[in-house]
Amino acid sequence: GQQVMQIPQYQHVQEGEDFTTYCNSSTTLSNIQWYKQRPGGHPVFLIQLVKSGEVKKQKRLTFQFGEAKKNSSLHITATQTTDVGTYFCAGPRNTGGFKTIFGAGTRLFVKA
Amino acid sequence: DAGVTQSPTHLIKTRGQQVTLRCSPISGHKSVSWYQQVLGQGPQFIFQYYEKEERGRGNFPDRFSARQFPNYSSELNVNALLLGDSALYLCASSKDRNGANVLTFGAGSRLTVL
Repeated sequence: GQQVMQIPQYQHVQEGEDFTTYCNSSTTLSNIQWYKQRPGGHPVFLIQLVKSGEVKKQKRLTFQFGEAKKNSSLHITATQTTDVGTYFCAGPRNTGGFKTIFGAGTRLFVKA
Repeated sequence: DAGVTQSPTHLIKTRGQQVTLRCSPISGHKSVSWYQQVLGQGPQFIFQYYEKEERGRGNFPDRFSARQFPNYSSELNVNALLLGDSALYLCASSKDRNGANVLTFGAGSRLTVL
């Protein structure tokens, strides 16, 4: 069935270093969403990408949607301790009803 | 405006028992989705309801059921609890029923099955 995969599973960085997480779908997506979940919290929506090749920025965060609309990335420049958490990509299921499928997430650890 | 509210926040059950989790969506949102999140994994889709009808179902056994009420609130029921049902159960609301809609999650109900 349709799958959304993320790498890496974990990433440890020193504060100030950059961080990138990658998301790949087994099928073409109409859109892709990114969520952040802080430790002990719940997923919070960050952004949605819709167009092929789209790039969006939110301060130190840069999101890209691949040309084939099957992959995406999130890049954080100069990480801060407030960036700690798990980043999930998610996309809609293409057939058989309505649901949003989540990747397993990339957990970011930032050492001060 | 209140966000998505879920109750209870924490609960402990024993194997074989039944549990009901409740969710109130954001005002104006007609769609409610339920997700199960096991520690260290991404949210797994259980159900989506829109206008009181089931619109999507994930790969969960029939022990899992849900319903949506006229005020768009929802309940998730799990019967004959197993140890593996221990997880964070997340409710998410969205304005419409299609997959392009952004999900707003509640804080979740953390279920422990002993």
